Amino acid sequence: DSGVTQTPKHLITATGQRVTLRCSPRSGDLSVYWYQQSLDQGLQFLIQYYNGEERAKGNILERFSAQQFPDLHSELNLSSLELGDSALYFCASSVRTSGNIQYFGAGTRLSVL
Amino acid sequence: AQSVTQLGSHVSVSEGALVLLRCNYSSSVPPYLFWYVQYPNQGLQLLLKYTSAATLVKGINGFEAEFKKSETSFHLTKPSAHMSDAAEYFCAAGPRGTDKLIFGTGTRLQVFP
Repeated sequence: DSGVTQTPKHLITATGQRVTLRCSPRSGDLSVYWYQQSLDQGLQFLIQYYNGEERAKGNILERFSAQQFPDLHSELNLSSLELGDSALYFCASSVRTSGNIQYFGAGTRLSVL
Repeated sequence: AQSVTQLGSHVSVSEGALVLLRCNYSSSVPPYLFWYVQYPNQGLQLLLKYTSAATLVKGINGFEAEFKKSETSFHLTKPSAHMSDAAEYFCAAGPRGTDKLIFGTGTRLQVFP
């Protein structure tokens, strides 16, 4: 158990809908990262928050947004969903930033029908 | 842009045989380097991390990796494969000065009895 909790484990929704994925980092970790794993794109970095502030952005679509709350949990919001958004979404956390080990949650599998 | 290349999307070995999974990075400045393992329906688990303290890094479950700057490589090895090693293995680079991880496309390891 990595200590990173992601909910829900599975999510099935329809095109055009909006969903929210939730992540609770390991106790004491200030940094939260979101990654998308799909068959065609592999594991892609989406976005990072550090102590409530956005710190880095990767290949995140404009339809996607995230935030980190004062208690350090994070949410990834996906809107106007398309079939191609079906993927496994991972959250990871680390104590600080560059070079620190990132601990991954079990992921949320999103299926857009 | 930095990239990580994993040669061989599938590797098959017999139980007890040497495991060698290849990883090359592209960067003039050696990044932090990681190997993660993903078992079916699970998140990523850290096997080992290179931080520049030592070129030979020992990880969990008998795995180790050697950093070779001249070859820009960080290959993962295990002297004797076990059935429980069957999983997908990801090499990742954390560029210095940034916080994200850049993942390779993964290598699926099969272990035959």
